Amino acid sequence: EAGVTQFPSHSVIEKGQTVTLRCDPISGHDNLYWYRRVMGKEIKFLLHFVKESKQDESGMPNNRFLAERTGGTYSTLKVQPAELEDSGVYFCASSQLQTLEQYFGPGTRLTVT
Amino acid sequence: AQSVTQLDSQVPVFEEAPVELRCNYSSSVSVYLFWYVQYPNQGLQLLLKYLSGSTLVKGINGFEAEFNKSQTSFHLRKPSVHISDTAEYFCAVSWSNQFYFGTGTSLTVIP
Repeated sequence: EAGVTQFPSHSVIEKGQTVTLRCDPISGHDNLYWYRRVMGKEIKFLLHFVKESKQDESGMPNNRFLAERTGGTYSTLKVQPAELEDSGVYFCASSQLQTLEQYFGPGTRLTVT
Repeated sequence: AQSVTQLDSQVPVFEEAPVELRCNYSSSVSVYLFWYVQYPNQGLQLLLKYLSGSTLVKGINGFEAEFNKSQTSFHLRKPSVHISDTAEYFCAVSWSNQFYFGTGTSLTVIP
């Protein structure tokens, strides 16, 4: 069974540019989560999808971040325009409904210069 | 909201020595507790979890953790570490459908 995959693995962009991160969850997992880790700090929750619906987006930093999950399969997280403080590692995780165990992807390392 | 504290950011330990990675959380209500491990260039992998029942939880790769409600702690232990245990370890609390992570502990096993 394929795990959670994320693309790209690394992205370096300039301040003001746009970046889109993609996450493909494990097939059949209705829950999809986005997290971010700024260097040296804790992994912080960004948002949670159940199928295609946003269940909780209380962790989204501001309106420069837009997450979508059309069709309830893969998800994208767009940052527009990117700022220096957006640099970090963005993790995606998925799980089945009614289970607590989340399966994480390898993360996308975003560097904004 | 919850907070999770991992006081040790880096822990060096010699091969075959025991190790304890500390984790404390803030909540006084019921929570679910997890330890995840991240090997280089990989995603987070679940080591073990405490949902209910026995306070001593055994996980993969010989790790175990003990839930202590009175001290709000969930320390991770291994009696004898291997080189392959070198990785970053994250403690996490699940509460109200959210995961709260600590800042991570980087374990380095020295040959």
